[in-house]
Amino acid sequence: ETGVTQSPTHLIKTRGQQVTLRCSSQSGHNTVSWYQQALGQGPQFIFQYYREEENGRGNFPPRFSGLQFPNYSSELNVNALELDDSALYLCASSLEGDNEKLFFGSGTQLSVL
Amino acid sequence: RKEVEQDPGPFNVPEGATVAFNCTYSNSASQSFFWYRQDCRKEPKLLMSVYSSGNEDGRFTAQLNRASQYISLLIRDSKLSDSATYLCVVRRGSTLGRLYFGRGTQLTVWP
Repeated sequence: ETGVTQSPTHLIKTRGQQVTLRCSSQSGHNTVSWYQQALGQGPQFIFQYYREEENGRGNFPPRFSGLQFPNYSSELNVNALELDDSALYLCASSLEGDNEKLFFGSGTQLSVL
Repeated sequence: RKEVEQDPGPFNVPEGATVAFNCTYSNSASQSFFWYRQDCRKEPKLLMSVYSSGNEDGRFTAQLNRASQYISLLIRDSKLSDSATYLCVVRRGSTLGRLYFGRGTQLTVWP
C-alpha cells in the first residue's frame, strides 16, 4: 500500500475527446510526477509538479496539462485524444526532501478508440 | 538514442537458476540508479537502489560501472515469485529530477 490512489482505474474514450485523470497522494508529498507507459515500454515522464507549480516536463505536447492542489491531489488532462494516447498513466509522489523513494499509484489504463 | 537501453528478453529460467540483466545509460550526468520491478500492468515498485560499490539485498545483487555507463542486476536461486518485468531506472541531478526508465526485461521463472 503506497498511499497513492488513482482514479479511474480504467477508462475508454474516443479520438478527439478530452480526459481528466486524478491522483491523490499522502499528506506531505509535495512532489508529484506523471508517467505514460505504452504497452511493452517503460514509463515515460510527462511532467512534474512541486508545490502546485510545474517543475519539469518531458517530450509531450501542450495538450497534456496538469494541476496540483494544496490537498496533495493532482490531475492530468489530455485534450484532443489520439489513438497513441492509449496507455497506462501512472502518478508518483514523494515526500518533501526525499526524492529517493517514489510512491506510485496503481495507474489508470486509458484506451482511445 | 534512448536514455536507458535494456534487453527486453524474455528470459525464461527454471527455479533455482541464476539470471543476470544488464542495461546501459547514455547520459554521463546521471547520478542515481535503481532497479524497479513491475508485475503485469501494475505500478512499478522499487527493488533496490544501485551504488558504485555494488550492493546486495538477499538474492539480488546490483552493480554499477560509471565508466562504461552500465548497470546490472543478478538474481540468484530464482523463485516463481520473481516472475515480473525488471526496469532499469536512472535519474540525473537534483532531488527533484525525473526518472528515466528502460523498457524493462521480462523474466519468467518456471517450476
